[in-house]
Amino acid sequence: GAVVSQHPSRVICKSGTSVKIECRSLDFQATTMFWYRQFPKQSLMLMATSNEGSKATYEQGVEKDKFLINHASLTLSTLTVTSAHPEDSSFYICSANFGGGYTFGSGTRLTVV
Amino acid sequence: GESVGLHLPTLSVQEGDNSIINCAYSNSASDYFIWYKQESGKGPQFIIDIRSNMDKRQGQRVTVLLNKTVKHLSLQIAATQPGDSAVYFCAEKWDGTASKLTFGTGTRLQVTL
Repeated sequence: GAVVSQHPSRVICKSGTSVKIECRSLDFQATTMFWYRQFPKQSLMLMATSNEGSKATYEQGVEKDKFLINHASLTLSTLTVTSAHPEDSSFYICSANFGGGYTFGSGTRLTVV
Repeated sequence: GESVGLHLPTLSVQEGDNSIINCAYSNSASDYFIWYKQESGKGPQFIIDIRSNMDKRQGQRVTVLLNKTVKHLSLQIAATQPGDSAVYFCAEKWDGTASKLTFGTGTRLQVTL
């Protein structure tokens, strides 16, 4: 089946630094990937739609200059949290379209100290 | 029982009983619905899906019911097992949103022995 690999699974960074999260489709090509953020005891909130070879589409209220998305190939999308602050601490999850369905990565727990 | 507010609604069931998890979706134009299971610290795991031209679909131990009149979705789990303990989310998609999924608020299922 379709597998999406997300890395790292956990990361701790200092305030003001940047963190990159990778999302790879292992056995299929993904022209579209989605990035979600999930705070404790809450649902998944879509941050942006990542499109291979073009600019990402951000949801309302999501700062595109803070959450940089790059989808340079059909198997890799990256999310970079720039100038991270403690309020950016969250669980970030990527997803990809495959065969009309959706496959999710295992998530990245980001802690900003 | 159930609790609402800042925490996820919780459904407690005894092992072996049937569980029914409910979801109210938001968009009457949504054409595709998915139930996901999420365990702590992991990404969502696909359980079952249903298209808007159906009102019932069955899988192994799970059944999804769709009532488009009241925009309601339910997930029934037969003979609930301890391994079913997790948070369950419904998600909806409609064609006008570039295949984006919108997630519901989620329900925590606790299976007691």
